[in-house]
Amino acid sequence: NAGVTQTPKFQVLKTGQSMTLQCAQDMNHNSMYWYRQDPGMGLRLIYYSASEGTTDKGEVPNGYNVSRLNKREFSLRLESAAPSQTSVYFCASRSLPQGAYTNEKLFFGSGTQLSVL
Amino acid sequence: QQPVQSPQAVILREGEDAVINCSSSKALYSVHWYRQKHGEAPVFLMILLKGGEQKGHEKISASFNEKKQQSSLYLTASQLSYSGTYFCGTAPMDTGRRALTFGSGTRLQVQP
Repeated sequence: NAGVTQTPKFQVLKTGQSMTLQCAQDMNHNSMYWYRQDPGMGLRLIYYSASEGTTDKGEVPNGYNVSRLNKREFSLRLESAAPSQTSVYFCASRSLPQGAYTNEKLFFGSGTQLSVL
Repeated sequence: QQPVQSPQAVILREGEDAVINCSSSKALYSVHWYRQKHGEAPVFLMILLKGGEQKGHEKISASFNEKKQQSSLYLTASQLSYSGTYFCGTAPMDTGRRALTFGSGTRLQVQP
């Protein structure tokens, strides 16, 4: 049982290049999330998908797009990378059953360290 | 809108206690607590639901006051393994608890 798998683990881009961060989970979770982590800022929500076929903006969506390809996969795309997007990116998934709150914990992937030069 | 955590950092000696606070400006369904070791992904500690409950996990416990939209994490008789950054994550009612937003974190260092 792999949990949440993110690729790549490291990436260096030049300003203006594009790339897609991949995320897949094998826990049959409904909800998936993309966060970025910067020193002193904690984890900031970029986009989330509450269920297959839906996506919503989080706190810092500018410069990013997402695709919920199916229930397992949720990708994050940078169309034209900027130095301000240098960060550690975490994908996470969460079971969100109707009414049952107690199993709602987030499972995180191992992260992608992205540097934009 | 991110919840506000305090303090930003705390240094303890083994065996000492600490309290980390989390405050939101929004009405909440639940509060989550996570711990992150350096270079690793955050790991779930516990979830507290609206209803003002208190939960425990080994010597780590937490409370949630939904009227004040505040939660506190209590670490008692701290161990070296407790070192890391602690995050609260909040699920606001206005998003139907779909979104989970995190505070900026509290860095805890436990020294021998």
